[in-house]
Amino acid sequence: DTAVSQTPKYLVTQMGNDKSIKCEQNLGHDTMYWYKQDSKKFLKIMFSYNNKELIINETVPNRFSPKSPDKAHLNLHINSLELGDSAVYFCASSLRASGNTIYFGEGSWLTVV
Amino acid sequence: GDSVTQMEGPVTLSEEAFLTINCTYTATGYPSLFWYVQYPGEGLQLLLKATKADDKGSNKGFEATYRKETTSFHLEKGSVQVSDSAVYFCALSDPKGGSYIPTFGRGTSLIVHP
Repeated sequence: DTAVSQTPKYLVTQMGNDKSIKCEQNLGHDTMYWYKQDSKKFLKIMFSYNNKELIINETVPNRFSPKSPDKAHLNLHINSLELGDSAVYFCASSLRASGNTIYFGEGSWLTVV
Repeated sequence: GDSVTQMEGPVTLSEEAFLTINCTYTATGYPSLFWYVQYPGEGLQLLLKATKADDKGSNKGFEATYRKETTSFHLEKGSVQVSDSAVYFCALSDPKGGSYIPTFGRGTSLIVHP
């Protein structure tokens, strides 16, 4: 069973479109994250939710909006896509504590043309 | 704020060579330290971790020791294989403020040639 699953894995879309990436975890974790990885592999946290509540929201354009219908799901909606949004987006989850491992999904490769 | 600094890559080695990837950190609290590995086309996965000073994390022949006095957590492997080619991320999780949001380094790419 896949622990953290995100869909779609690949997404090619035109500038100005709106798209969503879905994420689900079956680990019983209470905290979920969205990370953005650029072409140089730099990993930047975008959002973190704990028990469906937003606990961190880094400097991300407000075109990006996370939605957590329950603590097993954290979806990412992106409005008015721009070329610079092209990246790999990773969903992840963990239990909220210092020594706990983060489990990552396999990534969603977004290309904006 | 918290930060993780790791050596820039790529690190290019021949098979069976010794590997060291340096990682140092700054943290206001008493963090847990991690190494994650990302194989091509995949997400990150935990390689090893250590939660207190002098602990040694180990897995798949890799090891790293939590050195509080030098604020370091260097990754080592005695004999690398082609299959170890990946990007390696050092990370910390600091309980300061109660958020436990992990901080990642920039990643170090390892390329192992036959």
